[in-house]
Amino acid sequence: ILNVEQSPQSLHVQEGDSTNFTCSFPSSNFYALHWYRWETAKSPEALFVMTLNGDEKKKGRISATLNTKEGYSYLYIKGSQPEDSATYLCASLVGGYQKVTFGTGTKLQVIP
Amino acid sequence: DGGITQSPKYLFRKEGQNVTLSCEQNLNHDAMYWYRQDPGQGLRLIYYSQIVNDFQKGDIAEGYSVSREKKESFPLTVTSAQKNPTAFYLCASSATASGANVLTFGAGSRLTVL
Repeated sequence: ILNVEQSPQSLHVQEGDSTNFTCSFPSSNFYALHWYRWETAKSPEALFVMTLNGDEKKKGRISATLNTKEGYSYLYIKGSQPEDSATYLCASLVGGYQKVTFGTGTKLQVIP
Repeated sequence: DGGITQSPKYLFRKEGQNVTLSCEQNLNHDAMYWYRQDPGQGLRLIYYSQIVNDFQKGDIAEGYSVSREKKESFPLTVTSAQKNPTAFYLCASSATASGANVLTFGAGSRLTVL
C-alpha cells in the first residue's frame, strides 16, 4: 500500500448499532497513526495517536486498534448515537518526519 | 484561548490573480501545515514546516507558495499557476516534529475562483 486508504467511504447505521471502519497505510517506515473526527461546520479534532504495534486506545464508546506489521487500524464505535455522525479521518506518519498524510475518510451517519 | 486563526473565511478571486490565505497560531507550536480539500476527497498536503525559516513541499505543492518567517505564522499564497484553485483550505499545527503530537486545525478558508 502506497497511500492511506479508508473504507467504507460512507456508512449509515441506526442509533444503538455498533460499527467499525478500516484505515490501511504503508507499513514500511511506520512512525505513527492518528484518528480524527470531523463534524460538519467544525474543524477536525483528534481522537487517538497510535504508535506501537498492538496498541489499543479507548475514549468513551470509541476505540481503535493498530497493526503496524500488516498496515491497518480499525476504529470501533459501540452503540452509535446521532452525535457520532461525522467524517472519521486517519492519518499516517512515516519515517519520523512530520509529513502527515490523510486518508479520504469515512462519513458516518447515525439515524435516530 | 489558544488556537489557530485562518482568514479570510471566504474568498473570491478572479482568474490570473494571486491570493494569500492567512494562518496564525498562538499555541507555540513548532510545526505547521496547509491542506486542501475537494469534494469527495480527503485532505491533501500542500506544504508543511517543522521550524521557522524552513518548509517542505507536500503532495500537491505546484501553484502554491508559503513562507515561515515567524513561528506563529504560515501564510499560503495561491498563485495564478494553480490550475484549479477552487477548494477548501485547512491550516494546522502540532507541538513538535514528533508523530506523537496530533494536529490542531483552524476553521478553514473557502476559495472560489470566478
